[in-house]
Amino acid sequence: EVQLVESGGGLVKPGGSLRLSCAASGFTFSSYSMNWVRQAPGKGLEWVSSISSSSSYIYYADSVKGRFTISRDNAKNSLYLQMNSLRAEDTAVYYCARDAYDLYAFDIWGQGTMVTVSS
Amino acid sequence: SSELTQDPAVSVALGQTVRITCQGDSLRSYYASWYQQKPGQAPVLVIYGKNNRPSGIPDRFSGSSSGNTASLTITGAQAEDEADYYCNSRDSSGKGVFGGGTKLTVL
Repeated sequence: EVQLVESGGGLVKPGGSLRLSCAASGFTFSSYSMNWVRQAPGKGLEWVSSISSSSSYIYYADSVKGRFTISRDNAKNSLYLQMNSLRAEDTAVYYCARDAYDLYAFDIWGQGTMVTVSS
Repeated sequence: SSELTQDPAVSVALGQTVRITCQGDSLRSYYASWYQQKPGQAPVLVIYGKNNRPSGIPDRFSGSSSGNTASLTITGAQAEDEADYYCNSRDSSGKGVFGGGTKLTVL
């Protein structure tokens, strides 16, 4: 079964750090670009970051650039998001998503992991 | 940065046709993809590329594009189509972008 499973969410104080992980299974992870997308409570989807299959191309939303770092380990079939200098507005469900066709068409999504930034 | 604009809410009578639109300058150069999201669930890709449906998506869902506007059409809307719909694409710098979402109500 093709699957993405996020982990690492939780409650963190403003200014703190958190590292999210996304474990992929059921497909050749190293062949696909991957993304992080977040959704604040009651709000819409926000694209956060993308990384190409070989990590050659990495992009960030302006709202997280300089604070978040995306990475992947193709040997471990895993995607990561290191989040530093967290703010209240980073509170959201974070999804990892596969870009099946390099069209920013996300065909496989994880169940999401909740990140809450609060004192 | 590029933006994609969607109507916040649209309604359709059961069995009728509804079009949900997405506007943005980047759509003149790049295709939009469309997602359906029901409460408490992850989004599901329903349309990508010129007008492609992933496996398992009913053929009542279709996509089109003209100029800076992409459209998702549901022909013969069903009760189970009631959901939030999001478009997304990329901008010229390679960054992704989502529309604000459209809440579809099936009457």
